[in-house]
Amino acid sequence: AQSVTQLDSQVPVFEEAPVELRCNYSSSVSVYLFWYVQYPNQGLQLLLKYLSGSTLVKGINGFEAEFNKSQTSFHLRKPSVHISDTAEYFCAVVKTGNQFYFGTGTSLTVIP
Amino acid sequence: EAGVTQSPTHLIKTRGQQATLRCSPISGHTSVYWYQQALGLGLQFLLWYDEGEERNRGNFPPRFSGRQFPNYSSELNVNALELEDSALYLCASSPAGWDRGRTEAFFGQGTRLTVV
Repeated sequence: AQSVTQLDSQVPVFEEAPVELRCNYSSSVSVYLFWYVQYPNQGLQLLLKYLSGSTLVKGINGFEAEFNKSQTSFHLRKPSVHISDTAEYFCAVVKTGNQFYFGTGTSLTVIP
Repeated sequence: EAGVTQSPTHLIKTRGQQATLRCSPISGHTSVYWYQQALGLGLQFLLWYDEGEERNRGNFPPRFSGRQFPNYSSELNVNALELEDSALYLCASSPAGWDRGRTEAFFGQGTRLTVV
């Protein structure tokens, strides 16, 4: 069963515009949620994570995400994107036993 | 603190050959994950090792195999290489258990495997 679904494979957005990258997870998994970013020809870097506590999580580079248990979502947002935000973004969950599952990724392209 | 290191960074093999990819986790991490990232296919889960044992494997044929050594480093072996095995292979490590403050996967830079 698919644990993580990233609904948009590609998201183009103009520079300085807001962006939301969507992520939904299956309710059977433990609710440890992550967003990673991958810049071209590099490995993955952690943007932010939700383990417990406040449902609004702030990460690096001005990104934030909100955990919504009722909608089983963990969408990533940024109020104003820059050219340097162009990258691949992956949502991930941790299942019982510490195994990570990743979504298929969303390619964010910031247009000048 | 050294991060996750993978070697080699690039590997070129011909069809039918075998490839061996290596991963050294962050010191103290006992879990190692392998992922295949082929063009346009996102991250495909390959293998998960923890404490020296294979805990789970993804939907890949048996010619993809690996192991984890007592020092928690790991290697991925791909036998009988096919052209479609060309991809970036990423290794990640994480601490064991449910220590929430440390639950995170750290990634290496990957090995770019090209099969010609």
